[in-house]
Amino acid sequence: GAVVSQHPSWVICKSGTSVKIECRSLDFQATTMFWYRQFPKQSLMLMATSNEGSKATYEQGVEKDKFLINHASLTLSTLTVTSAHPEDSSFYICSATVILEDTQYFGPGTRLTVL
Amino acid sequence: AQTVTQSQPEMSVQEAETVTLSCTYDTSENNYYLFWYKQPPSRQMILVIRQEAYKQQNATENRFSVNFQKAAKSFSLKISDSQLGDTAMYFCAFMRPNAGKSTFGDGTTLTVKP
Repeated sequence: GAVVSQHPSWVICKSGTSVKIECRSLDFQATTMFWYRQFPKQSLMLMATSNEGSKATYEQGVEKDKFLINHASLTLSTLTVTSAHPEDSSFYICSATVILEDTQYFGPGTRLTVL
Repeated sequence: AQTVTQSQPEMSVQEAETVTLSCTYDTSENNYYLFWYKQPPSRQMILVIRQEAYKQQNATENRFSVNFQKAAKSFSLKISDSQLGDTAMYFCAFMRPNAGKSTFGDGTTLTVKP
């Protein structure tokens, strides 16, 4: 089956610094990638939709300047948390979709801790 | 907009027994997909089962089966012969065709007891 990887799996950073999370589709080309945020024991909250070569579409309430998304190729999307603060600490999950397959393939997630 | 409701925040079951997780959804669409995902402590989202709304037959995957009631907009998951490894959070999800993304329920935390 299709595999999606995320890197890093766990990152700790100091408040005020920026952190980049990579999401890669390893054995397929993803037409669209999605970024989610998940707090403990809660559901996945969609942050943004990322299409290759175009600007990401952010969900209401998600700060575009804080969560920068770049989708440079059909196999790579990155999420950069800029000027991170402790409240940005969370679990970030990406998913990738192949057009007409109607199935999401999820990455293993990245745990971000901001001190 | 679609909504997905899981009314059981937590459930528990004895090993080897059967448990059913509930899910209801609201949509005006006629064609769509429904999913159950498992999220174990590792937090990797794992697809358990997928149902296409135009198919009347309930999907099954080994010990996992669904009861899909389209008119009632209900999509429950039955786990037979529960195993300790089934302990996880389970999410019900709805997807429109070609949308690429799902709407998730709030999840049900299932604990399988030895």
